[in-house]
Amino acid sequence: GENVEQHPSTLSVQEGDSAVIKCTYSDSASNYFPWYKQELGKRPQLIIDIRSNVGEKKDQRIAVTLNKTAKHFSLHITETQPEDSAVYFCAASPAGTALIFGKGTTLSVSS
Amino acid sequence: NAGVTQTPKFQVLKTGQSMTLQCAQDMNHNSMYWYRQDPGMGLRLIYYSASEGTTDKGEVPNGYNVSRLNKREFSLRLESAAPSQTSVYFCASSYTGLDEQYFGPGTRLTVT
Repeated sequence: GENVEQHPSTLSVQEGDSAVIKCTYSDSASNYFPWYKQELGKRPQLIIDIRSNVGEKKDQRIAVTLNKTAKHFSLHITETQPEDSAVYFCAASPAGTALIFGKGTTLSVSS
Repeated sequence: NAGVTQTPKFQVLKTGQSMTLQCAQDMNHNSMYWYRQDPGMGLRLIYYSASEGTTDKGEVPNGYNVSRLNKREFSLRLESAAPSQTSVYFCASSYTGLDEQYFGPGTRLTVT
């Protein structure tokens, strides 16, 4: 089955810096790659997603890139702010039926 | 719109007891999911239902059963709870497996 690896597990940056989180997946049939943000004590919420026919997608300070050949995708957050502090999860959808999540990255942004 | 609702919010069970976690969505979504979240382990898929009338095993189905009661409701049952099932359980729903999943508020379950 699909296996999603996520790195790093923790990431600390200064306010205004950029943050990059990387994920790799194993199933070449996976074709949907979302990213979720979970604040402490709250439910996960989608922040951005990308489909296999697209190489990059941006939404304000957040961007995601996908390399299908290498089977990896990355989340880029620019101009980080303290409210970006949270746990971020990547996921992949094998066969388009369900999501397999990575283990998460705890991002801490200090001011 | 209430979105995705889950009951109960908290539960304490003794080893061997059974219970059912309830989930309902009012967004007319076809697909529903159950996850468990443990520290350092991310969100692990227990079972999912791609459409009304179907259910499939996820990554960690052992010790659980599910029922897709109708399009709105998807329940998760623990027949004989074990301490290893202590976790936070999230239900989610989406139009299809390729769409945004909306999560419920979670159920914190402790098995002693």
